[in-house]
Amino acid sequence: KQEVTQIPAALSVPEGENLVLNCSFTDSAIYNLQWFRQDPGKGLTSLLLIQSSQREQTSGRLNASLDKSSGRSTLYIAASQPGDSATYLCAVRPETGANNLFFGTGTRLTVIP
Amino acid sequence: DTAVSQTPKYLVTQMGNDKSIKCEQNLGHDTMYWYKQDSKKFLKIMFSYNNKELIINETVPNRFSPKSPDKAHLNLHINSLELGDSAVYFCASSQAFSFTSTDTQYFGPGTRLTVL
Repeated sequence: KQEVTQIPAALSVPEGENLVLNCSFTDSAIYNLQWFRQDPGKGLTSLLLIQSSQREQTSGRLNASLDKSSGRSTLYIAASQPGDSATYLCAVRPETGANNLFFGTGTRLTVIP
Repeated sequence: DTAVSQTPKYLVTQMGNDKSIKCEQNLGHDTMYWYKQDSKKFLKIMFSYNNKELIINETVPNRFSPKSPDKAHLNLHINSLELGDSAVYFCASSQAFSFTSTDTQYFGPGTRLTVL
């Protein structure tokens, strides 16, 4: 059974710092991995999607990497801003079967002005 | 325009009641989903629907039943509500059930259900 873990559970950084969020998964047979952002009281917004054949994806100040064989992904946020404060969730889709996403428990990020 | 919408946003009800949460997507997607986020923020899939057919039915109580009047709607019905049903329920949709290169799921804002 796929299990997704995110470390740390919470992170506080001063504005302007670069930071890395970690995600690990137990079953490497994945089709893709996604990073989502969740703001308090709101739904999830997809940030980056990495196919299993890819090593990384970039969008603006965000860079996500994927090491499928070791079951790890990182989300790198450059020059953090207070507006980046949110909970970040990673989710993996299994290689076979339906479009089912297994979510981690998230990392709550606070960027201090 | 909101891509995936849910109503109500908040739902407070007594134990034993029957309630429904509505979901609509205007993206023209073929597949819709329901997720439950518990108090520990863990998000777990409950159901997915494709072309009016239930594709995934995780080990959720049969008190929960998804109903899809058309491709753009997937409503969640809950009978005989229990305290443990309190959670945030998210609806989502994606282009297709089959594997594609751009099969991102788009999520609604969530419905916070509180059972007293």
